[in-house]
Amino acid sequence: GAGVSQTPSNKVTEKGKYVELRCDPISGHTALYWYRQSLGQGPEFLIYFQGTGAADDSGLPNDRFFAVRPEGSVSTLKIQRTERGDSAVYLCASSFSKAPADTQYFGPGTRLTVL
Amino acid sequence: LAKTTQPISMDSYEGQEVNITCSHNNIATNDYITWYQQFPSQGPRFIIQGYKTKVTNEVASLFIPADRKSSTLSLPRVSLSDTAVYYCLVGDDGGSQGNLIFGKGTKLSVKP
Repeated sequence: GAGVSQTPSNKVTEKGKYVELRCDPISGHTALYWYRQSLGQGPEFLIYFQGTGAADDSGLPNDRFFAVRPEGSVSTLKIQRTERGDSAVYLCASSFSKAPADTQYFGPGTRLTVL
Repeated sequence: LAKTTQPISMDSYEGQEVNITCSHNNIATNDYITWYQQFPSQGPRFIIQGYKTKVTNEVASLFIPADRKSSTLSLPRVSLSDTAVYYCLVGDDGGSQGNLIFGKGTKLSVKP
């Protein structure tokens, strides 16, 4: 079946602009996660959804970052007033229920570049 | 969540067996040990998960000693396509958080 998909694959924006990154999880997966990965580092947790609600948003770096999952499927990560330090690969993952006992399936990521 | 320590990098040659050891001295009773693999420009991919003793699947084996303070991922007869970063993670199956905590991983380079 289809895996986790993310769009766009690449996004280049200017400092101060607003961006939206989309994640389509595997059908039937109730848990959805967003991570951010900088060059040479492992993925860093941002936010976790169980269904429509954000069960844990402790990884969001500041209030410029926000994520939604209104129907419990597709999720959008929103970044306001982007800064150069936001440049990274943003990864989305989904699992049938709650990890880590349940395998997380990752998408290919969106590479965000803030000029 | 338990912190993990693993080598930053390893080199190997095609056809060899590769063993990557991960230390997790503060592992809790409910923690599982999970390994992920990541190729450049891709998201991490689940390889194997275990709780104790030995687990084997079509890709790798995972060896966990009785004290569970370390674990070893074993890749039999590696090929060039096994060149990737390998992450060791520990965590439980309960609690309020489901997120994974990644370290820097081990960059495995397989040479011809």
